[in-house]
Amino acid sequence: SQQGEEDPQALSIQEGENATMNCSYKTSINNLQWYRQNSGRGLVHLILIRSNEREKHSGRLRVTLDTSKKSSSLLITASRAADTASYFCATVSNQAGTALIFGKGTTLSVSS
Amino acid sequence: ETGVTQTPRHLVMGMTNKKSLKCEQHLGHNAMYWYKQSAKKPLELMFVYNFKEQTENNSVPSRFSPECPNSSHLFLHLHTLQPEDSALYLCASSPQGNVMNTEAFFGQGTRLTVV
Repeated sequence: SQQGEEDPQALSIQEGENATMNCSYKTSINNLQWYRQNSGRGLVHLILIRSNEREKHSGRLRVTLDTSKKSSSLLITASRAADTASYFCATVSNQAGTALIFGKGTTLSVSS
Repeated sequence: ETGVTQTPRHLVMGMTNKKSLKCEQHLGHNAMYWYKQSAKKPLELMFVYNFKEQTENNSVPSRFSPECPNSSHLFLHLHTLQPEDSALYLCASSPQGNVMNTEAFFGQGTRLTVV
């Protein structure tokens, strides 16, 4: 069953610009995670934010979490061509938190 | 390289064939997962194994049969598949499965084509 819903589905920007992706979910969560996937490859973990946290940073990544709105955002600053990939949010629920439930993802294209 | 290895990377099989996908991790993790990724659809959780015991079967058809002989290995046995089963099959592992409060490590996936 799908939990997260990313927005936009596709995003095209120029190198150096910032990219913002949003994720909405439905049930209460233990934590929310963002993953990156290069074309047809496996997923790579980017960042995990727990339900009692509001913001987290990792290098050029900034993630926010608003549990009252059941939403999260991923900001990539000063984007590079190498950031071109699909980005997924995934949630771990409080009810049955044994696995990640993914959204459809945002496809980011960064042109030089 | 995440430490999770999937073989084969690509597989083409007929609808009457029987094949198996293999996943291996030596990260000391106790939970392993199979996900299916079809074009234009979210990743679908198929099976969860925690300490070698299956803890979740997400309404997966019986033509997919998982096997977890030990905490390091996970198999997905395939038989009499349909063309719509063509997809990227991803294996993942995590330290524990009671609550996933850490990251998951994914393999590179097996690209399956059913003809």
